[in-house]
Amino acid sequence: ILNVEQSPQSLHVQEGDSTNFTCSFPSSNFYALHWYRWETAKSPEALFVMTLNGDEKKKGRISATLNTKEGYSYLYIKGSQPEDSATYLCASPHWGQNFVFGPGTRLSVLP
Amino acid sequence: DVKVTQSSRYLVKRTGEKVFLECVQDMDHENMFWYRQDPGLGLRLIYFSYDVKMKEKGDIPEGYSVSREKKERFSLILESASTNQTSMYLCASSFSTGESNQPQHFGDGTRLSIL
Repeated sequence: ILNVEQSPQSLHVQEGDSTNFTCSFPSSNFYALHWYRWETAKSPEALFVMTLNGDEKKKGRISATLNTKEGYSYLYIKGSQPEDSATYLCASPHWGQNFVFGPGTRLSVLP
Repeated sequence: DVKVTQSSRYLVKRTGEKVFLECVQDMDHENMFWYRQDPGLGLRLIYFSYDVKMKEKGDIPEGYSVSREKKERFSLILESASTNQTSMYLCASSFSTGESNQPQHFGDGTRLSIL
């Protein structure tokens, strides 16, 4: 089974701080990288799907980058707000493999 | 908006019972998935289906089966529930075109407790 890792496991930041976290995945047979946000008592919501090395995607204050050669993706949140508090999941389907999700990074933004 | 609906948010069952978890999506998605989520672990794929009456094992299929008789509905069945199947279960669906680069749309989850 493919190994997808995320770090840190959890993170506490003050409102207004910018933050970032990492998703690591095997670089061989890469196909795509997904980011999801999962707020408590809600369903996971897709943020980005990235496929190309060097890709950068942005949605409001949240952006993500992708390095398929070294096997990592960064998610950045600029000026964190309390409503950004959630668990952020990445998933990396590889050729011939099922979807594998990382364990998530739990972000808490303190007002 | 895509709507993925799971039949129950919370469910309590007894060891040995046969348990059905239902999932319905309204976007004509070809792919449907069942995951379970446990503390400290990522979402783990139990089964998925890419078409009516088709099913594929995920990474942890033991103790589970699935049924997809209609395109919009994907059922997860615990044949004889055991306490180690206490978990949060999530259903998801997606389009099949370029399937691995289509985002998955999730239901709200069913928190299942087996006593």
